[in-house]
This record gives sequence, structure tokens and C-alpha cells, in this order.
Amino acid sequence: AQKITQTQPGMFVQEKEAVTLDCTYDTSDPSYGLFWYKQPSSGEMIFLIYQGSYDQQNATEGRYSLNFQKARKSANLVISASQLGDSAMYFCAMRAGGTGFQKLVFGTGTRLLVSP
Amino acid sequence: DTAVSQTPKYLVTQMGNDKSIKCEQNLGHDTMYWYKQDSKKFLKIMFSYNNKELIINETVPNRFSPKSPDKAHLNLHINSLELGDSAVYFCASSQEPGGGYGYTFGSGTRLTVV
Repeated sequence: AQKITQTQPGMFVQEKEAVTLDCTYDTSDPSYGLFWYKQPSSGEMIFLIYQGSYDQQNATEGRYSLNFQKARKSANLVISASQLGDSAMYFCAMRAGGTGFQKLVFGTGTRLLVSP
Repeated sequence: DTAVSQTPKYLVTQMGNDKSIKCEQNLGHDTMYWYKQDSKKFLKIMFSYNNKELIINETVPNRFSPKSPDKAHLNLHINSLELGDSAVYFCASSQEPGGGYGYTFGSGTRLTVV
């Protein structure tokens, strides 16, 4: 069964520092995709970054990068130069379903608090 | 110009009532979804439609009935509401089943059953 694990319920970081949010996954599918979403206190889900299982390079989007270690089945999100506006819940998710219809499976989330 | 819009944003209702949440997307996507986020913030898929056809139906009480009149709309009707139905319901859409390069989510509907 496909599963996403986020072991950090909460993380604290000072403004302008980098922070890593952990995500490990479990799947037997050879092809899968990994996503990170941000949910600020206003509640909307904001897509941040995507990594395909066959992508050779780690994905980057501005201050966000995904540290993809396939052998360890980890897909950690790195936020560089944290800003106060980065305070939010962060969800790791995996596209799962094998050869059938696929869906996003989410982790339990990490609440990030950025302090001045 | 909102990509995925849900209405209403807030819904407070009494136990036993029937209510509907509407969702519309203007992205031209073929696949739409309903997700439920519980009080612990856990997100779980409920349903998925591809071109108006139901393709994913997770273990959801049959009091929940989705309807897709066309590929741009996916509504969720809930009968006989229970306290445990209180949650945030998110509609989402993607270009293909499984959201190959990400889903676009609506802003959510916070349902409170009293």
C-alpha cells in the first residue's frame, strides 16, 4: 500500500535561515510522483513543487527545492531563506494507484513557524 | 479569475439536514476530485471524476453522493448530516487522472454540523 510519512509535527526556523521538512514514502510502483503543498492559515492548498520518480535531477522552484533520494525513499522539502510568510502547514503527497486510476495520498503535515 | 471555485465557503447546519457543496473549474481539466480534511488536518480522497464519469470512490458513506453534470462541475450532496461530517471539503482538478503534474485546489468549504 502506498503511504507518506511526515515525522515532524512542528518545525521552527528563524527568518532568512534554511529549513528542511522531512518526507518518506512507501510504494511498490515503479512510476510515481511526489508533491509538496503549502496550506497557510487562510486554508487554501498551494502547490509548491513536483518530482517524478524517473527525474534525474532534484526539482527546484524558486526558494523551494526537493531533495529526492530514491534509494532511501525520501523526498524532503528544503526552503531557503525563510520568510515570515512561509509560516504554514506543509503537506507531502504521492501520486499512487499503480496502473489503475491514480490519486494523491497525503502525509499528516508539518506545521512550520518562522520567527523574526 | 478563480481557477477552482467552491461554494459556499462556510456551511453551518443541524444534524439530519441535507446540504450540497458546488465546485466549478475553468482550467479545462478533465478530472475533478473531492477531498476531506479532518480536524487533525489529514487529507483523504473521497471521489474522483474523469469527463463526468466516476473513477474513484473511496470508502465513503453512501449519504455522500457526488454529481458531475459536465467536466467543469463536480458537486457534492450530503444527506442526513452527522456530527462526524464536520470537516473542510476541498474540490480539486487536474489535467489527467492522478494529477500528473499537480492538482489545483479550491479554497475549501468548512462544514460544521451542530
